Amino acid sequence: NAGVTQTPKFQVLKTGQSMTLQCAQDMNHNSMYWYRQDPGMGLRLIYYSASEGTTDKGEVPNGYNVSRLNKREFSLRLESAAPSQTSVYFCASRQSNGEAFFGQGTRLTVV
Amino acid sequence: GQSLEQPSEVTAVEGAIVQINCTYQTSGFYGLSWYQQHDGGAPTFLSYNALDGLEETGRFSSFLSRSDSYGYLLLQELQMKDSASYFCAVNRDDKIIFGKGTRLHILP
Repeated sequence: NAGVTQTPKFQVLKTGQSMTLQCAQDMNHNSMYWYRQDPGMGLRLIYYSASEGTTDKGEVPNGYNVSRLNKREFSLRLESAAPSQTSVYFCASRQSNGEAFFGQGTRLTVV
Repeated sequence: GQSLEQPSEVTAVEGAIVQINCTYQTSGFYGLSWYQQHDGGAPTFLSYNALDGLEETGRFSSFLSRSDSYGYLLLQELQMKDSASYFCAVNRDDKIIFGKGTRLHILP
């Protein structure tokens, strides 16, 4: 049982480059989430998707876009990366109120 | 909006009991969750309180008072492996909003 799988695990980008972070879950969960984690800031919600076909902004959506491709997959896109987007990104999924399952994270550096 | 407050650091001795408090301000509150994260790892779920009272899972317990917008995580019989960051999180509508986390240091 893979749970939540994120790719890539590590990435270095130059300022202005674009990239897509991939996330897939095999637990048939309705809700999926993207967070970023910076030192001392906890986990901040970027975007979430309550069900297939819907997406909504979280606390820090600027500079990001998302796509809920199907029930399994939820991708996060950086159109023009900035050094302020250097962070660890986590994808998570959840069926209903209660336990959320997290991927292992993507460590992104923008230079 | 919503906000959560928890202490940034707590230190305790191996074998002892420690309590990590969390206060929150939010509308549309459904429940309070707790997560553990070791350095370099992903957050993992510990407990969820939707109703007032105490939930116990092994050495960990979590408490919620909805009228006080307050909860805590209680860790008993502390072990060195419990050294980690602990996050409270508000479940609101379809969102999960996290606090900034409490770093737990355990002394031998």
